[in-house]
Amino acid sequence: NAGVTQTPKFRILKIGQSMTLQCTQDMNHNYMYWYRQDPGMGLKLIYYSVGAGITDKGEVPNGYNVSRSTTEDFPLRLELAAPSQTSVYFCASSYSSKGAGNTIYFGEGSWLTVV
Amino acid sequence: AQRVTQPEKLLSVFKGAPVELKCNYSYSGSPELFWYVQYSRQRLQLLLRHISRESIKGFTADLNKGETSFHLKKPFAQEEDSAMYYCALSGRTGNQFYFGTGTSLTVIP
Repeated sequence: NAGVTQTPKFRILKIGQSMTLQCTQDMNHNYMYWYRQDPGMGLKLIYYSVGAGITDKGEVPNGYNVSRSTTEDFPLRLELAAPSQTSVYFCASSYSSKGAGNTIYFGEGSWLTVV
Repeated sequence: AQRVTQPEKLLSVFKGAPVELKCNYSYSGSPELFWYVQYSRQRLQLLLRHISRESIKGFTADLNKGETSFHLKKPFAQEEDSAMYYCALSGRTGNQFYFGTGTSLTVIP
């Protein structure tokens, strides 16, 4: 199993550009998450999904969009990139949100800089 | 609202010394608490969870509901314990996990 795979690993964007961070998992997990981590800060939840076709906002959803057309994929779209979106982005997944299945598996992270 | 607080950003201990990484939380109800770890050049991974009441790599953590704490402890630190440690909380309802800001542990040889 590859686990959670996210691409690209590094990207520099100009202000106002758009891009999509790709995330896929091969563990047949129902739950998927996007977090961002700013320097010296904890991980903040951007969006999450409890299954294909269902997405919901986390703590910091503004400026982002997601979709979940399949169980495996959970892309994160940045529209009109702003310097405040410079961060490290982590995609993650879990089988469930409670009980023994709520171990979160993380991707390696995507470093995004907006200039 | 800050749900998970890790007061120490950096922590250094000598090899063989005890180590304690602090974690305090605020949550009404009964949360689940976790410790995640990120070793150099590796991805974040689960270290342990409070409901398992297990020791992983010599680390233990006890949930203290009175003090709303979930401190991570190891009696004798090893060099390979050097990593970034994150405390995390999941509510009994809802589908969100909340992470602390992390503590970078360095074990000095």
